[in-house]
Amino acid sequence: NAGVTQTPKFRVLKTGQSMTLLCAQDMNHEYMYWYRQDPGMGLRLIHYSVGEGTTAKGEVPDGYNVSRLKKQNFLLGLESAAPSQTSVYFCASSYSGVQGTQYFGPGTRLLVL
Amino acid sequence: AQRVTQPEKLLSVFKGAPVELKCNYSYSGSPELFWYVQYSRQRLQLLLRHISRESIKGFTADLNKGETSFHLKKPFAQEEDSAMYYCPCSIQGAQKLVFGQGTRLTINP
Repeated sequence: NAGVTQTPKFRVLKTGQSMTLLCAQDMNHEYMYWYRQDPGMGLRLIHYSVGEGTTAKGEVPDGYNVSRLKKQNFLLGLESAAPSQTSVYFCASSYSGVQGTQYFGPGTRLLVL
Repeated sequence: AQRVTQPEKLLSVFKGAPVELKCNYSYSGSPELFWYVQYSRQRLQLLLRHISRESIKGFTADLNKGETSFHLKKPFAQEEDSAMYYCPCSIQGAQKLVFGQGTRLTINP
């Protein structure tokens, strides 16, 4: 039981490049979340999903897109990376939404030059 | 807007001393509050939630609606308590957690 996994662990991008971050969970959770963590700002919600085929915007969705084609996977895309998107990205999943425990992945460190 | 404030970015105490990590929220409804912890080289994980009213690893937190606070307390700090602590808040019906900026706790030997 791997829990929540994230791919890749670390990536360097040039401004304007695109990439996709993959989050996978094997706990059959309905709810999945993408956060970014920046120094002094805590975690901020980018997008979330309440089930397969659904997505919704969080606090800071601009510049990101997401897809949840399979229940176990939640993809975060950056179409045209900007230096302001340099951050650590965390994925989380939950059985019962925000009222329940969120299980976090190990994080993806992204550097945009 | 819903907001969580953790006023101390850094907190340093000696082993065996009491520790209190402060958390204040701004929401007039019925929020649900949590404490999450991230130990060095580990994932962010749930420490405790206010509805459970439990003590985990010697930590307790009481929701004070009058002061809109949910401070985390432990009477005798241990070195393994050194970590980053977050106090997120959720609102019934809204599918998001709002995090404070976190407090890095260091327990000195």
